[in-house]
Amino acid sequence: DIVMTQTPLSLSVTPGQPASISCKSSQSLLHSDGKTYLYWYLQKPGQPPQLLIYEVSNRFSGVPDRFSGSGSGTDFTLKISRVEAEDVGVYYCMQSIQLPPLTFGGGTKVEIK
Amino acid sequence: EVQLVESGGVVVQPGGSLRLSCAASGFTFDDYTMHWVRQAPGKGLEWVSLISWDGGSTYYADSVKGRFTISRDNSKNSLYLQMNSLRTEDTALYYCAKALVLRFLECNGMDVWGQGTTVTVSS
Repeated sequence: DIVMTQTPLSLSVTPGQPASISCKSSQSLLHSDGKTYLYWYLQKPGQPPQLLIYEVSNRFSGVPDRFSGSGSGTDFTLKISRVEAEDVGVYYCMQSIQLPPLTFGGGTKVEIK
Repeated sequence: EVQLVESGGVVVQPGGSLRLSCAASGFTFDDYTMHWVRQAPGKGLEWVSLISWDGGSTYYADSVKGRFTISRDNSKNSLYLQMNSLRTEDTALYYCAKALVLRFLECNGMDVWGQGTTVTVSS
């Protein structure tokens, strides 16, 4: 199984300041089709996860442009350029290149200072 | 608007069985692979199973293989998860989720998730 490791476990951010979350996979997520199958989700309190980013850097429909994804191979980063109060929750990375199973990172909890 | 509504979660004894359902609307259901993902209380996300758009291919996590069966009825826009030989460690909120890309089986993450249905396995 591909192990997804996220850091930090938690993050406390002042509104308007940037935030960054790292995700490392135990194997490369680069497929022979040239795409890299790394996703980012945000689970707000009491809600199901919502897709933010797919294939490393593509923002899903309706996702604000303050969210951006980058990385390649086994190292990936989610950045929030200016954190807002509505961004609180737990962020998960996920890989889908190897199946089964699809695997998630352990999550990063983002709080507002 | 894409909507997924799960149902069927209850309290069940260890060793018991349960069938979860997911009613889909707002998209062409039979064009998309569908997933089940669960979340134990206070824990992270665990992928459980997926089924291809035509029901012809299925995959399972090792933790549920041989005990759970995923299926779908495209005429009813519905996804199911038959859960047998339930264990206390199956206690979780179960989400159904739609795959991102149509008619694509592998390498296909989830875009829209339902609100989930709670399964509690306890004596």
